[in-house]
Amino acid sequence: GAVVSQHPSWVICKSGTSVKIECRSLDFQATTMFWYRQFPKQSLMLMATSNEGSKATYEQGVEKDKFLINHASLTLSTLTVTSAHPEDSSFYICSARDAGTGGEGTEAFFGQGTRLTVV
Amino acid sequence: RKEVEQDPGPFNVPEGATVAFNCTYSNSASQSFFWYRQDCRKEPKLLMSVYSSGNEDGRFTAQLNRASQYISLLIRDSKLSDSATYLCVVNRNNDMRFGAGTRLTVKP
Repeated sequence: GAVVSQHPSWVICKSGTSVKIECRSLDFQATTMFWYRQFPKQSLMLMATSNEGSKATYEQGVEKDKFLINHASLTLSTLTVTSAHPEDSSFYICSARDAGTGGEGTEAFFGQGTRLTVV
Repeated sequence: RKEVEQDPGPFNVPEGATVAFNCTYSNSASQSFFWYRQDCRKEPKLLMSVYSSGNEDGRFTAQLNRASQYISLLIRDSKLSDSATYLCVVNRNNDMRFGAGTRLTVKP
């Protein structure tokens, strides 16, 4: 089945540094990818929708200058957490749907997630 | 009101029990519906899609009531391996919204 690969799976960084997370669709093209954040014992919260070749669409309350999204190709989207702080520590997950077989009933495939810890 | 609401549980049931989860959604224009399973510190994985006519996959039965904007998941003959968080997911125009999840623990 379709696979979405996310890298890195975990990262520890110092406060004030930036961290880049990659999300790749390995055997399908994804014109749209989604970035979620999940705090402990809470649900996935959509942060932004990443659109290939255009600007991402951010959810209310998500700072676009802090969470930079780039979707340069049909198989790669990146999320950069800029000037990370301890409150940004969370589980970040991307997802994508196969544009080729699309339709509203098509399932979304998730990356393995990135556990970010800012110290 | 949240777009997708679920009873967070936790549900603690013995092996072999039947357990049901409910989910309601607020947007009547929602187009497709799913149940995902998420294990601790892992990404969500699709358990099953939910069709208007209701559908069954082994011990799992999903039902949708569009008029009441209500989705359910029934698990029969619970196994220890069913312990996880079950997420109700509602989709409209490629915008997928997740419920907070219902935590299930199946005990020996």
